[in-house]
Amino acid sequence: KNEVEQSPQNLTAQEGEFITINCSYSVGISALHWLQQHPGGGIVSLFMLSSGKKKHGRLIATINIQEKHSSLHITASHPRDSAVYICAGITIFGNEKLTFGTGTRLTIIP
Amino acid sequence: GAGVSQSPSNKVTEKGKDVELRCDPISGHTALYWYRQSLGQGLEFLIYFQGNSAPDKSGLPSDRFSAERTGGSVSTLTIQRTQQEDSAVYLCASSLAGGGQGGHQPQHFGDGTRLSIL
Repeated sequence: KNEVEQSPQNLTAQEGEFITINCSYSVGISALHWLQQHPGGGIVSLFMLSSGKKKHGRLIATINIQEKHSSLHITASHPRDSAVYICAGITIFGNEKLTFGTGTRLTIIP
Repeated sequence: GAGVSQSPSNKVTEKGKDVELRCDPISGHTALYWYRQSLGQGLEFLIYFQGNSAPDKSGLPSDRFSAERTGGSVSTLTIQRTQQEDSAVYLCASSLAGGGQGGHQPQHFGDGTRLSIL
């Protein structure tokens, strides 16, 4: 069983819609990365958070430590947001290696 | 400033050959990670280097895989006697020293090496 679970696996929405991607994680993970991977492969870290909420432009990430749950929101979605979004957990044991969710493929239709 | 640089960007080789993949991390980043993304599968951890500490090799899938990091900077991932199941994108990431009192540090990814084994 993966330590990081994401949903949905695929998401298609119309331009302008509010997008939510969810991530649940197991005991032993103390922080999360939200990563974005465009076709062609390059991975960019959007957020790293261990508590609360972070915002960057139209992107918002939240984490609830008690519930072991995080969400990535995109407001006013745009076709250029189409990508795979990956949640990755960081363990509490000092080694910063990432444990990855399976990713959410987001497609925004103009 | 330069990001994480990986070379080659693409590598096609015959089954049974050895390959070397290179990662040049961001200057000053003491932590370096190798990950693999296989077709139809998610990303998985391979190996982690932190400063002069012994590397965490727990993610290497077999003894055909090895990695070294010379001088605390450039790293090379070597796959010996390649098999078709080794075909994947190999990603390198680096960060400032993380964990402990320093807190978690964001990882910066290279563009990866796409390895195809014929």
